[in-house]
Amino acid sequence: DTAVSQTPKYLVTQMGNDKSIKCEQNLGHDTMYWYKQDSKKFLKIMFSYNNKELIINETVPNRFSPKSPDKAHLNLHINSLELGDSAVYFCASSHEGLAGVASGELFFGEGSRLTVL
Amino acid sequence: QQQVKQSPQSLIVQKGGISIINCAYENTAFDYFPWYQQFPGKGPALLIAIRPDVSEKKEGRFTISFNKSAKQFSLHIMDSQPGDSATYFCAGETSRNRKLIWGLGTSLAVNP
Repeated sequence: DTAVSQTPKYLVTQMGNDKSIKCEQNLGHDTMYWYKQDSKKFLKIMFSYNNKELIINETVPNRFSPKSPDKAHLNLHINSLELGDSAVYFCASSHEGLAGVASGELFFGEGSRLTVL
Repeated sequence: QQQVKQSPQSLIVQKGGISIINCAYENTAFDYFPWYQQFPGKGPALLIAIRPDVSEKKEGRFTISFNKSAKQFSLHIMDSQPGDSATYFCAGETSRNRKLIWGLGTSLAVNP
């Protein structure tokens, strides 16, 4: 069984369109993330949610809007797509762990490759 | 203070050789240092991690060496195999904000 699953795996769309990527985890984790990986492989955190609450919101255009209907799901909606949005978007999850103890283990999905034409 | 600097950007090693990837950090509050391995078309996966109270951690062919005073840590892959060819990321994190700060990655190619 896939632990963190994202759909779609590939997405090709025109500039200006709106698209969504869905993510689900079956690990029972309480924290979920969206990362963007550019063509140079740089991993940039975009958002994190803990128990459906937004925890991390990096400097991301407000065209990007995450939504967490429950702690097992974190979707990413992107409005008015631009060429620079082309990247691989990764969903990840983790367990918050003991208070005051960094754990850091993230479980990533296989990524959603977005191409904006 | 948030940066993690990783080198080299790319590395080519012969089968059976030792692969060494280095990272340096600035934030002395970091208390967790993981290494992630990413194969093409896949998401990163945790490979090995260390906390600053130890200077070395070994898991099979993979070893992390940690130098707290120099604020550096490195990944050593012994007896490198073609199956180790992947991109490797180091990172640092503090217990306080639990936000991983990533290095830029090292693309490792192990020639048969």
